[in-house]
Amino acid sequence: QAVVTQEPSLTVSPGGTVTLTCGSSTGAVTSGHYPCWFQQKPGQAPRTLIYDTINKHSWTPARFSGSLLGGKAALTLSGAQPEDEAEYYCLLSYSGARVFGGGTKLTVL
Amino acid sequence: EVQLVQSGAEVKKAGESLKISCKGSGYSFTSYWIGWVRQMPGKGLEWMGIIYPGDPDSRYSPSFQGQVTISADKSITTAYLQWSSLKASDTAMYYCVRHDSSSEDFDYWGQGTLVTVSS
Repeated sequence: QAVVTQEPSLTVSPGGTVTLTCGSSTGAVTSGHYPCWFQQKPGQAPRTLIYDTINKHSWTPARFSGSLLGGKAALTLSGAQPEDEAEYYCLLSYSGARVFGGGTKLTVL
Repeated sequence: EVQLVQSGAEVKKAGESLKISCKGSGYSFTSYWIGWVRQMPGKGLEWMGIIYPGDPDSRYSPSFQGQVTISADKSITTAYLQWSSLKASDTAMYYCVRHDSSSEDFDYWGQGTLVTVSS
């Protein structure tokens, strides 16, 4: 089974920009992995922010965006807010088999 | 309004069986997959498997194949996750999530079911 890697932790200043990445042990992440990004706050169920690499939901704040960057999937937060402090997970598809990354704990400080 | 409502918290002993549920409403239940996700205490999300209630076709992550059974009853728009013999290591929060295969979206999540297994 593939291993999906994320930064364990990142810190961003309020109003700042940060990029979280999602890599694959099998090689470059492509749109064919259909990357998804989820936000989870303590005690809450996950919430989907981005699907199929770049697509947002109606509830996804405009400051979040998804992309492919340097062979990885990326989630960029532009203009961080205190409420963005959370754990972020990516999910990749390998011909239908799904694997989560280990998560990135994002601190807004 | 799309909703996935999961069954309540469970406290069981090792060796017991368990079936937890995820009831879908507000959409065509047989047109979307339902996935299951484990989150052990203080840990990350783990993909367990997925089912298409319209078939039903179920697929498992290698880590969970043979350890759990995923099923669905489309007549009552409910998906299930079951164990025949629980272990203490099954103690975790379990989430269901809806998957739209046409857009590769995992959009709506259940609120989670906490399963506690004592040894």
